[in-house]
Amino acid sequence: SQQGEEDPQALSIQEGENATMNCSYKTSINNLQWYRQNSGRGLVHLILIRSNEREKHSGRLRVTLDTSKKSSSLLITASRAADTASYFCATDGIQGAQKLVFGQGTRLTINP
Amino acid sequence: GAGVSQSPSNKVTEKGKDVELRCDPISGHTALYWYRQSLGQGLEFLIYFQGNSAPDKSGLPSDRFSAERTGGSVSTLTIQRTQQEDSAVYLCASSLVDDILAKNIQYFGAGTRLSVL
Repeated sequence: SQQGEEDPQALSIQEGENATMNCSYKTSINNLQWYRQNSGRGLVHLILIRSNEREKHSGRLRVTLDTSKKSSSLLITASRAADTASYFCATDGIQGAQKLVFGQGTRLTINP
Repeated sequence: GAGVSQSPSNKVTEKGKDVELRCDPISGHTALYWYRQSLGQGLEFLIYFQGNSAPDKSGLPSDRFSAERTGGSVSTLTIQRTQQEDSAVYLCASSLVDDILAKNIQYFGAGTRLSVL
């Protein structure tokens, strides 16, 4: 079963606006990652945040993690048409990093 | 270096036929994963290899599905007697699991789109 649940399932905004996607999970984790997928093909790793971190930045991406609420958010600032894709969160369990559990994803559309 | 390579990129087969999907991981990556993704859905975990052994096969949906990995490298996912509900994109990923830092960043192939008619 899927551990992560993304919210919203779909998001459509205008180019230049900020996009925020949320992820909730159920069990304790070591790390939480965000991936991007274009056109239903391979996923690309974006950013990893460890369970003892609260916020992390990478370029126009900002990720927050609240382990007390078992939730994370991904913020994309100054969105571009090329950011149109599906975004997935993935978690691994405290037993080890061997397996990632992916959420259902948020479909982001950036309108020019 | 080269990324994860999957073949074929598309496969159309008739119900009841067997299919083999291939994954070439990134050289040196010890862990290899198979996922299935139905249209507009998230990733469904199928099986995970560490080296040539599969510590976790919990996601294989039925005994029609099997996978092997040889030489700690190439893996094949075999689906026997395919059914229409097997139609999906099958994604392979590899990683160099860092047990010390407990990091598992996965690198994905482009997938095989399987259509069972």
